[in-house]
Amino acid sequence: QITLKESGPTLVRPTQTLTLTCTFSGFSLSTGGVTVGWIRQPPGKALEWLALIYWDDDKYYSPSLKSRLTITKGTSTDQVVLTMTNMDPIDTATYYCAHSRLWAPFDYWGQGTLVIVSS
Amino acid sequence: DIQMTQSPSFLSASVGDRVTITCRASQDIRNYLAWYQQKPGKVPKLLIYVASTLQSGVPSRFSGSGSGTDFTLTISSLQPEDVATYYCQKYNSAPWTFGQGTKVEIK
Repeated sequence: QITLKESGPTLVRPTQTLTLTCTFSGFSLSTGGVTVGWIRQPPGKALEWLALIYWDDDKYYSPSLKSRLTITKGTSTDQVVLTMTNMDPIDTATYYCAHSRLWAPFDYWGQGTLVIVSS
Repeated sequence: DIQMTQSPSFLSASVGDRVTITCRASQDIRNYLAWYQQKPGKVPKLLIYVASTLQSGVPSRFSGSGSGTDFTLTISSLQPEDVATYYCQKYNSAPWTFGQGTKVEIK
């Protein structure tokens, strides 16, 4: 059974760096074809794809946010970490991590974590 | 980058109605198109992948079609539990862009 769960701060000050951790079970990011991605959703707005990391450590980012995002495998083999620099109130959103496989969309999602950017 | 445009943005229909949502890609994405359902306050759920394959457990009243740049999600007989926002997403190559969503309500 595949599960994912996001963790991180609820409140971030403007200009700070956000660090979110996705802890998962039921699969290994060392297995060929496995990917983990991050998606966000501002309150009342649409889903926005942020980043993707592949089992072979290949990484892809949203072009509009590429300069601010870093996705990495965590120190624990069951974690993926997303960092976003220079946070702004417009980055207030629910952040989701999700599982996929090569040439397949996100089939399992975490519950999401709300991040509020405010001074 | 490829843009994904959904229409309509909002749809109100009666129970039992046939509902159709369209998604257009600005370039050919072959059939690497997924549809998600997001009920109010809930996590998005994968409904359809490779444009027309139903995810396990999804009711058969949902169907998808299309390839290349034009895609359709159809609900053959709208049910009260189908009230949700529906998103398309391309996943042929990064970025995996989502459409802006279509909110479906019961009239």
